[in-house]
Amino acid sequence: GDSVTQMEGPVTLSEEAFLTINCTYTATGYPSLFWYVQYPGEGLQLLLKATKADDKGSNKGFEATYRKETTSFHLEKGSVQVSDSAVYFCALNRVTGGGNKLTFGTGTQLKVEL
Amino acid sequence: NAGVTQTPKFRILKIGQSMTLQCTQDMNHNYMYWYRQDPGMGLKLIYYSVGAGITDKGEVPNGYNVSRSTTEDFPLRLELAAPSQTSVYFCASRPTGSNQPQHFGDGTRLSIL
Repeated sequence: GDSVTQMEGPVTLSEEAFLTINCTYTATGYPSLFWYVQYPGEGLQLLLKATKADDKGSNKGFEATYRKETTSFHLEKGSVQVSDSAVYFCALNRVTGGGNKLTFGTGTQLKVEL
Repeated sequence: NAGVTQTPKFRILKIGQSMTLQCTQDMNHNYMYWYRQDPGMGLKLIYYSVGAGITDKGEVPNGYNVSRSTTEDFPLRLELAAPSQTSVYFCASRPTGSNQPQHFGDGTRLSIL
């Protein structure tokens, strides 16, 4: 079945540092890939998505490229801010007859310090 | 536009008690979902619905029930609370369309003691 593997956290960075959060997946066919972000005490919010191989999703300075050859969807940001501190979830979206099925990674906590 | 609203935000139950977690959305989305989030485990799908009157089991449905009498509401029922059901519960909805993202509520933190 489908699965998503994320790097374990927490990841602690200084403000303005470069961020990479690794995400790899196992799936057949051509699922879509999403990154969600969860701020403390809140629900998950969609950060970006990519629907086919070689697509690059981007939002708020974050970006991720759908790499089918390496089954990866790594999240990157060139310069993080304290306000980026949150938990980041990689997710695989599969279209099924009964509605889309999202398979989540375990989440990676990011802490950004001054 | 409120989006997905969950109530209550926090609740403590005793073993064997029952309760209903409420979820309502004002976006006229057909699809709705219930997840539980356990520490270090990501989100697991409990139940989902593709429209009013239609529900189906997800990965971890045991101990839960749902109903979908209207498009807006998708309550989750725990009949006999057990400590293993201590978790954070998230409701989500999404519009029709193959790659439309799910919109999440802020969650209900439930402790069973």
